[in-house]
Amino acid sequence: AQKITQTQPGMFVQEKEAVTLDCTYDTSDPSYGLFWYKQPSSGEMIFLIYQGSYDQQNATEGRYSLNFQKARKSANLVISASQLGDSAMYFCAMREGTAGNNRKLIWGLGTSLAVNP
Amino acid sequence: NAGVMQNPRHLVRRRGQEARLRCSPMKGHSHVYWYRQLPEEGLKFMVYLQKENIIDESGMPKERFSAEFPKEGPSILRIQQVVRGDSAAYFCASSPPGTQYGEQFFGPGTRLTVL
Repeated sequence: AQKITQTQPGMFVQEKEAVTLDCTYDTSDPSYGLFWYKQPSSGEMIFLIYQGSYDQQNATEGRYSLNFQKARKSANLVISASQLGDSAMYFCAMREGTAGNNRKLIWGLGTSLAVNP
Repeated sequence: NAGVMQNPRHLVRRRGQEARLRCSPMKGHSHVYWYRQLPEEGLKFMVYLQKENIIDESGMPKERFSAEFPKEGPSILRIQQVVRGDSAAYFCASSPPGTQYGEQFFGPGTRLTVL
C-alpha cells in the first residue's frame, strides 16, 4: 500500500492565484513528520516546509502553507500568489517515528505544477 | 556556506562497468542519505550513514551496491557491474546531528546512464 499518495499528476494555475497540492499519508506511528520539496527542471530538490504530527498549528513559510488535517491524514501544500518560478515538480514525503530514531523519508510520486502567465 | 556537493553530475557507463558516485555533505553535517529516483517516480530511500557507520541500509539492493562514509572525505555510493536498470538520478542529502525534525538538504544529484 502506498504510504504517501499524491493524486494530482499535473496541475495548472494562473499567475498570482493560489493553488493547493494534495497529499495523503498512511502510518500507524503516532509520531511522524511531513515534508514538501520542490524539484525544478534543473533537477535539484529544494526543501519547502515541514509539519510535525504533534504540531498544534499548521506550518507556514512565506508563500507556502501546509493544510494539515490529522484525522483525514492529509497534508496539502498551499502556494499563495503563484509565480512563474513556481513551475516545478512538488513532492510530499514522510518520516515515520522521531528524527532521533528514524531518518528515512518515504516519498510520493509528485505533482507537476505549471504556472501560466 | 556551500551546499551538498555531488559529483559527477552526469555519468555514463557501459553494462558491466563500475559506477562511483561522490557526495560531500554540508559543513557541519555528519549524517548522509542516498536516494534513487527513477524516471517519472519519486525518490526511494537507499541508505543512511554517519561517519564510518551504516545506520540504515534497508533500501539498498542486496547485490552490487555499497556505500561508505569514511572519517575523512566524501561519502561514496558504489555500483558494481551496472545494468540498464541502474539508470536513474541518485541524490545525496545531509543533515546536522541533533536536528529536531530531520530536515534533509539535498545535492543536485548524479544522473547515471547505463548504455
